[in-house]
Amino acid sequence: DAGVTQSPTHLIKTRGQQVTLRCSPKSGHDTVSWYQQALGQGPQFIFQYYEEEERQRGNFPDRFSGHQFPNYSSELNVNALLLGDSALYLCASSLGGASGNTIYFGEGSWLTVV
Amino acid sequence: GQNIDQPTEMTATEGAIVQINCTYQTSGFNGLFWYQQHAGEAPTFLSYNVLDGLEEKGRFSSFLSRSKGYSYLLLKELQMKDSASYLCAVRDPTGGSYIPTFGRGTSLIVHP
Repeated sequence: DAGVTQSPTHLIKTRGQQVTLRCSPKSGHDTVSWYQQALGQGPQFIFQYYEEEERQRGNFPDRFSGHQFPNYSSELNVNALLLGDSALYLCASSLGGASGNTIYFGEGSWLTVV
Repeated sequence: GQNIDQPTEMTATEGAIVQINCTYQTSGFNGLFWYQQHAGEAPTFLSYNVLDGLEEKGRFSSFLSRSKGYSYLLLKELQMKDSASYLCAVRDPTGGSYIPTFGRGTSLIVHP
């Protein structure tokens, strides 16, 4: 039973560039949430996708956008990268929309903006 | 708004018991999660409490008091591998959101 998988695991981008991160949810899960975790902080909610629509959004600018595909996998896109976007980006999957009780995280994508 | 407080760091001895506290102030409540996160790794699910009381799962137990806005994670028979960050997260359904809000985490250091 595959867990949550994310790619790439590490990447370095230059300020102003764009990045796309990918996530495949745990088998049987239909809901994907994205979090940003800076060093020494807890994960901060970016947005959640369910049934291919953005259902919830945290306090992140429009530079952060996403998509969910019919197979429930998801992408996170960040435009016009800033140095402050350097963080661990975590994908979490669950079942049944926002109220799923158990959330499973992927290993994350480490983004460094230079 | 939501406010979740955890101690920043704790140290304990191998074989001992440690209690990590979490206090929260939210408009509503629909469950509290505990996650373990080793350095450089993803958080892994430990427990979920929605009713008052103690939930025991092996060496780990989690307690919730909704009236006090308080939870703790109890780790028994500490092992070196328990050195990690422990994240408390609270789900507040006010406004229709069921997304858990995470605290900053408690870094636990277990020494011999």
